Amino acid sequence: DGGITQSPKYLFRKEGQNVTLSCEQNLNHDAMYWYRQDPGQGLRLIYYSQIVNDFQKGDIAEGYSVSREKKESFPLTVTSAQKNPTAFYLCASTRGGQGRNSPLHFGNGTRLTVT
Amino acid sequence: GNSVTQMEGPVTLSEEAFLTINCTYTATGYPSLFWYVQYPGEGLQLLLKATKADDKGSNKGFEATYRKETTSFHLEKGSVQVSDSAVYFCALSDEYSGAGSYQLTFGKGTKLSVIP
Repeated sequence: DGGITQSPKYLFRKEGQNVTLSCEQNLNHDAMYWYRQDPGQGLRLIYYSQIVNDFQKGDIAEGYSVSREKKESFPLTVTSAQKNPTAFYLCASTRGGQGRNSPLHFGNGTRLTVT
Repeated sequence: GNSVTQMEGPVTLSEEAFLTINCTYTATGYPSLFWYVQYPGEGLQLLLKATKADDKGSNKGFEATYRKETTSFHLEKGSVQVSDSAVYFCALSDEYSGAGSYQLTFGKGTKLSVIP
């Protein structure tokens, strides 16, 4: 079955370290997204990518970086510049060209804890 | 800009009770509307959607009707089960982000707990 795989499910890091979260999809989707979820705040968009080798900042991109070298992969790096990195991170994808009716497909998330 | 407002939770219901979760939106264009559900420790799953005014989306006993005149998309279920305990997100798709894709704007989510 096709889907989105995020790994690892739980990640622990010391403050000051960069950490990379993996997101792989085998849905042949063009567009991929990273969201951050905090209690009571819903989902906030970090970065998104419509095609390989291109990506755009979302609403809260500061302290994060991404790459899109392959259609299937969209890793997110949480850098030491991110002031409050502890959160639940969700990767999503959708097929491009479907208009506004196209729903997002989500991975199961990575819970990052920085101490 | 676009925005989605959901009723604040948590909502606690007894099994077989009637559920309503209110959702209203603000959009500049003609959005599609969605309800997503998130079970504990998981990502979001699409529950239902509606793409134009007066459309009714339905799935697993849940329903929501796209009301343009009241800019609302309230989620309802006639008889909830313990397995419906989750966080529910209302969302709209209206902002074009290029290459044929649209961004979603999410509400903050409403946590539902159903007790036996």
